Amino acid sequence: NAGVTQTPKFQVLKTGQSMTLQCAQDMNHNSMYWYRQDPGMGLRLIYYSASEGTTDKGEVPNGYNVSRLNKREFSLRLESAAPSQTSVYFCASSLRTTKETQYFGPGTRLLVL
Amino acid sequence: RKEVEQDPGPFNVPEGATVAFNCTYSNSASQSFFWYRQDCRKEPKLLMSVYSSGNEDGRFTAQLNRASQYISLLIRDSKLSDSATYLCVVNDDTNAGKSTFGDGTTLTVKP
Repeated sequence: NAGVTQTPKFQVLKTGQSMTLQCAQDMNHNSMYWYRQDPGMGLRLIYYSASEGTTDKGEVPNGYNVSRLNKREFSLRLESAAPSQTSVYFCASSLRTTKETQYFGPGTRLLVL
Repeated sequence: RKEVEQDPGPFNVPEGATVAFNCTYSNSASQSFFWYRQDCRKEPKLLMSVYSSGNEDGRFTAQLNRASQYISLLIRDSKLSDSATYLCVVNDDTNAGKSTFGDGTTLTVKP
């Protein structure tokens, strides 16, 4: 039982490049989330998906797009990366809502030069 | 003012000590509360939920004070393995996706 998996683990981009961060969960959870964590700070919600086929903006959605491909997979896309998007990105899932435990993936460390 | 505030620390304590962290929140509509633990360069993991009546899990005790809008985490008999960052999480359950994380309190337990 892998839980929440994320790829890639590390990525270096140049300003203006695009990339997609992949996330998958095998716990049959309905809700999935993308967060970013900057040094010395807590997690900030980028986007979330309460169920397959729905997505909603979180606190810091600018510069990102998401796709809930199916119940298992939730991807995050940076269309034109900027140095301000250098961060650690965590994907998480929960059974229904944030009232339940959120299970996090191991994170993707992104550096934008 | 941040919605969720924590004392960043660091808290440096000897093994066996008792240490307490507080977390204040500003949204009075907040309805569910959690403490997560994050080890260095790792993902956060649930430590415990916080219930209105307070709850205990071994050496860990969590309490909620709705009137003053804060939650607390007490760790008794600290172990070296308790060294980590502790994140306070506050949810507005009327908004299914809205979890607000504090910036975390760093604890280092020394021999």
